[in-house]
Amino acid sequence: EVQLVESGGGLVQPGGSLRLSCVGSGFNFRSFWMSWVRQAPGKGLEWVANVRQDESEKYYVESVEGRFTISRDNAKNSLFLQMNSLTAEDTAMYYCVRDYGGYPPYDFWGQGTLVTVSS
Amino acid sequence: DIQMTQSPSSLSASVGDRITITCRASPGIRSDLGWFQQKPGKAPKRLIYGASSLESGVPSRFSGSGFGTDFTLTISSLQPEDFATYYCLQHHGYPRTFGQGTKVEI
Repeated sequence: EVQLVESGGGLVQPGGSLRLSCVGSGFNFRSFWMSWVRQAPGKGLEWVANVRQDESEKYYVESVEGRFTISRDNAKNSLFLQMNSLTAEDTAMYYCVRDYGGYPPYDFWGQGTLVTVSS
Repeated sequence: DIQMTQSPSSLSASVGDRITITCRASPGIRSDLGWFQQKPGKAPKRLIYGASSLESGVPSRFSGSGFGTDFTLTISSLQPEDFATYYCLQHHGYPRTFGQGTKVEI
């Protein structure tokens, strides 16, 4: 059974930093691109970033470019999102999502980790 | 960026109704589109991939169609468990973009 489990969310002050983690199991993690998707309270879904299997390609939505960094550790089946210079607009549930890997993408989602940016 | 325009933003329906939700892509995205269902407090669940392929385990009352710029999600006979919010997602270009969502209510 494919599982994605996020952690690392919490309350952080504006301008602060946070690092999210996601551990995948039940599939060959190193064979898949991986993504982060977020959802602000009461709002729609927003794709944030993704990373290729070997980290040779990374893509970001413009609003986080230069502040967020996506990375992975295939030996630990882990995906990360380093978030710096956080603002209230980054307050959201952050989901880890399986992306391309020989199957149509965005098929499996974690349950999410909540990030709240507030003073 | 590829713009995904989803409509309607909400709709009221009854059990047994047939409903259709549309997404328009600009520019075109071939069939690089998925449909997702989200219930309150839960992660999204993929229903349709490749614009028209039904996810394993998803009831056959759900169907998707379209290619290029115009896409539809149809629920042929609405069931109580289908009341939720639905999103389209294009994965043809970067950044990936979702439609604004359609809340299906009683």
